[in-house]
Amino acid sequence: DVKVTQSSRYLVKRTGEKVFLECVQDMDHENMFWYRQDPGLGLRLIYFSYDVKMKEKGDIPEGYSVSREKKERFSLILESASTNQTSMYLCASSLVASGIDYEQYFGPGTRLTVT
Amino acid sequence: GENVEQHPSTLSVQEGDSAVIKCTYSDSASNYFPWYKQELGKRPQLIIDIRSNVGEKKDQRIAVTLNKTAKHFSLHITETQPEDSAVYFCAALGFRGATNKLIFGTGTLLAVQP
Repeated sequence: DVKVTQSSRYLVKRTGEKVFLECVQDMDHENMFWYRQDPGLGLRLIYFSYDVKMKEKGDIPEGYSVSREKKERFSLILESASTNQTSMYLCASSLVASGIDYEQYFGPGTRLTVT
Repeated sequence: GENVEQHPSTLSVQEGDSAVIKCTYSDSASNYFPWYKQELGKRPQLIIDIRSNVGEKKDQRIAVTLNKTAKHFSLHITETQPEDSAVYFCAALGFRGATNKLIFGTGTLLAVQP
């Protein structure tokens, strides 16, 4: 059973703080993703990574960075949190494109509030 | 760029009725189309998917149809039950660089009234 965990379910931070969101998966998946979920906007991809130390920008990377030092762990960093980054953040993982299994497995989400 | 449009954004049905959610995609190279269900306060989970080499797939009360020519696909839920109430996301597989990524629709909030 695939497990994707996130370090916090709820987080409250102040404007200007540096924020770290951690995601860990235990299925040896190569791909990992960070999304933010906002009402009416669906799941928007922030960054993804297909290997250790590799990263690619998604659709809304501004104001975020990521780190992947180990295969199982993918971190999202808000360098200087702003109120418009208040959102639900979802991490996901999947196998490398194999032609067989593309399913993404999601973590439980982190509800971040920036005041 | 790649885009997936999903309609309707909200859908209310009576228990026992059918529900249909429709999506269109822009990338003709997409060949995999999953549907995720997200119950209130929970993570999205895959409920059904379809690949481009088939036109329809069914799993008990849910089915998905795909029209590659028109670039649209639909989720059909029959005999709806209150536990079907959730947000449903469609997605299409896109390829960028060395990996694949899912492009999600904006979601449909389905409410099944008992």
